[in-house]
Amino acid sequence: DAGVTQSPTHLIKTRGQQVTLRCSPKSGHDTVSWYQQALGQGPQFIFQYYEEEERQRGNFPDRFSGHQFPNYSSELNVNALLLGDSALYLCASSLGQLWDEQYFGPGTRLTVT
Amino acid sequence: GNSVTQMEGPVTLSEEAFLTINCTYTATGYPSLFWYVQYPGEGLQLLLKATKADDKGSNKGFEATYRKETTSFHLEKGSVQVSDSAVYFCALTPNQAGTALIFGKGTTLSVSS
Repeated sequence: DAGVTQSPTHLIKTRGQQVTLRCSPKSGHDTVSWYQQALGQGPQFIFQYYEEEERQRGNFPDRFSGHQFPNYSSELNVNALLLGDSALYLCASSLGQLWDEQYFGPGTRLTVT
Repeated sequence: GNSVTQMEGPVTLSEEAFLTINCTYTATGYPSLFWYVQYPGEGLQLLLKATKADDKGSNKGFEATYRKETTSFHLEKGSVQVSDSAVYFCALTPNQAGTALIFGKGTTLSVSS
């Protein structure tokens, strides 16, 4: 049973560029959440997708957008990258409202230069 | 607003020592509380949880009790091992406002033999 997978593992981008990160949820899960973890900090909630719609959003600018596909996989897009966007981006999957069963992927390390 | 505060690290202990990592929270309503662990190079793993006041979560020798009167959820273990070395995150989800996790900044635990 595959857990949550994320790609790519590492990514280096230049300021002003755009980036797309991908996440495949754990088998059987239908909800995907994205978190940003800056170095030495706890993860911060970006948004959550359920039934292909954004269900909840954290305090992040509109440069951060996402999408969920019919197979429940998800993408996180960040436009006009800033140096401050450098972080570990974590994807978590869960089943509906079962928030106590959030499973995290290993993350994508984004470096903006 | 909702927030989590946990003790600053790093915490350095010898094997078999007693561990306490303090966590306090601010939340409206009745949140659920969690401890997550992040081993080096890995994603976040749920360690234990408690969903209502006076609940005790436990796993792998770790325990934490949901104390509403002191708004606390301190993590304890009677005898730590070298393999417990990791970063520990206290988190909550404000049940009445969605399922997004709100994390503390994390506490690094280093156990030496």
